Amino acid sequence: ELKVEQNPLFLSMQEGKNYTIYCNYSTTSDRLYWYRQDPGKSLESLFVLLSNGAVKQEGRLMASLDTKARLSTLHITAAVHDLSATYFCAVDDSNYQLIWGAGTKLIIKP
Amino acid sequence: DVKVTQSSRYLVKRTGEKVFLECVQDMDHENMFWYRQDPGLGLRLIYFSYDVKMKEKGDIPEGYSVSREKKERFSLILESASTNQTSMYLCASSLYTTGNDEQFFGPGTRLTVL
Repeated sequence: ELKVEQNPLFLSMQEGKNYTIYCNYSTTSDRLYWYRQDPGKSLESLFVLLSNGAVKQEGRLMASLDTKARLSTLHITAAVHDLSATYFCAVDDSNYQLIWGAGTKLIIKP
Repeated sequence: DVKVTQSSRYLVKRTGEKVFLECVQDMDHENMFWYRQDPGLGLRLIYFSYDVKMKEKGDIPEGYSVSREKKERFSLILESASTNQTSMYLCASSLYTTGNDEQFFGPGTRLTVL
């Protein structure tokens, strides 16, 4: 059974700092997705990673996928307050479904 | 852009009522999903559908049923609402394709059962 583990689950950081959120999964998959959720809102797709070594960047966020290690990272560079949100990773189970991590609540303090 | 809409943003119902939550997507996606989201429990899949009139149970189908009579519309039904079904309900859709199962979400319905 595919399991997805995110860490940390909660992260409070200062503006301007760098940090990384980790997403580990338990069985083979080469498709992983990152989403953002603002409080009280729905989920918004951030990155789609579809192969080993895939790297995507958007602004201060960069996501990568290492399928051999079953690990994806979401790196935040020079954090700004607007990036405060909950970030979810989800892994494709090859049966049209996504298996979700628990989410990382990120608070960025000015 | 893919657009997924849900019939209500906020809904208040009484225990025992029958509740319908509707979801419509406009991008001809084959797959549609209903999740509920509760604090500390993440996203939990209730049901999904990969084609018209087809449905599969997710992780927590008890107390729910679904209907998919048209490709663009996926309804979640609470036959007899209970207070433990108070939650945020999220609908999503994805295109049937090998290699990318990215899901697109609606705005969510926050249901309160009194």
